[in-house]
Amino acid sequence: GAGVSQSPSNKVTEKGKDVELRCDPISGHTALYWYRQSLGQGLEFLIYFQGNSAPDKSGLPSDRFSAERTGGSVSTLTIQRTQQEDSAVYLCASSLAKQPNYGYTFGSGTRLTVV
Amino acid sequence: AQKVTQAQTEISVVEKEDVTLDCVYETRDTTYYLFWYKQPPSGELVFLIRRNSFDEQNEISGRYSWNFQKSTSSFNFTITASQVVDSAVYFCALSEVDNNDMRFGAGTRLTVKP
Repeated sequence: GAGVSQSPSNKVTEKGKDVELRCDPISGHTALYWYRQSLGQGLEFLIYFQGNSAPDKSGLPSDRFSAERTGGSVSTLTIQRTQQEDSAVYLCASSLAKQPNYGYTFGSGTRLTVV
Repeated sequence: AQKVTQAQTEISVVEKEDVTLDCVYETRDTTYYLFWYKQPPSGELVFLIRRNSFDEQNEISGRYSWNFQKSTSSFNFTITASQVVDSAVYFCALSEVDNNDMRFGAGTRLTVKP
C-alpha cells in the first residue's frame, strides 16, 4: 500500500482480555518496528523485524507481549491478559532496510484503552 | 547507553515568531544518526530530517533549519516565521549503527497561536 496501515485505530478492552493489533507495512519494506507511546511520553521501542532474521524482542516489557510477522509482511502484536498500564498508542513503522540509513514511515497507530 | 533529552516540554509562540526546539543526546558511539519527527494532532509521525554523525553541516529546508553541534551533543531545530500549521509535538531521535532501537526524546509540544 501507499503507507503503513494499522488496525484497529481504536480498541477498548476489559482488563484481563487478550488483544491483537495489526500492522500492514509498505510493500517491499523489509524492516518493521513496533513502538509504544504512553500519554504525554516519547516512543518506547518494543520489537524489530528484519527480513527472515530472528526479531529483536529486547524492548518487550513483559512476557504478556508477543509479536509475529508472517511472510515478511503483515505483523501482529499480541498483548495477553491486558492491564491498565498497557493503555497507550501502539505505533508501527517500516523502512526499506535497517533504519539508520533510511527514515521510518510510521502508521497512524492503534489507541488501546484497557478499562 | 543512548539517550535523548528534549528539555522543553511545551512551547507556545505567536504566529510569525521564530522558535528553536532543543535536543541533546548521549552516545558512546562515533557513528550514529539523528532524526527529527513531527507528530501533528492526527497522530501520525512525519519524518523531517536525518543526519549522520560525520556530517555537521547545518541544513535549511524552507522555514526549517537544523543546527548539529557534536561539541555540545546537540541537534537543535529552528522554525522561522512559525505558522499555526506548525503546531504539533516534535520528537528528536538517536540511532546507533549497531542498535535496532531508535531512541526518542520525550517530545516538545509546540503551539503556534494566530
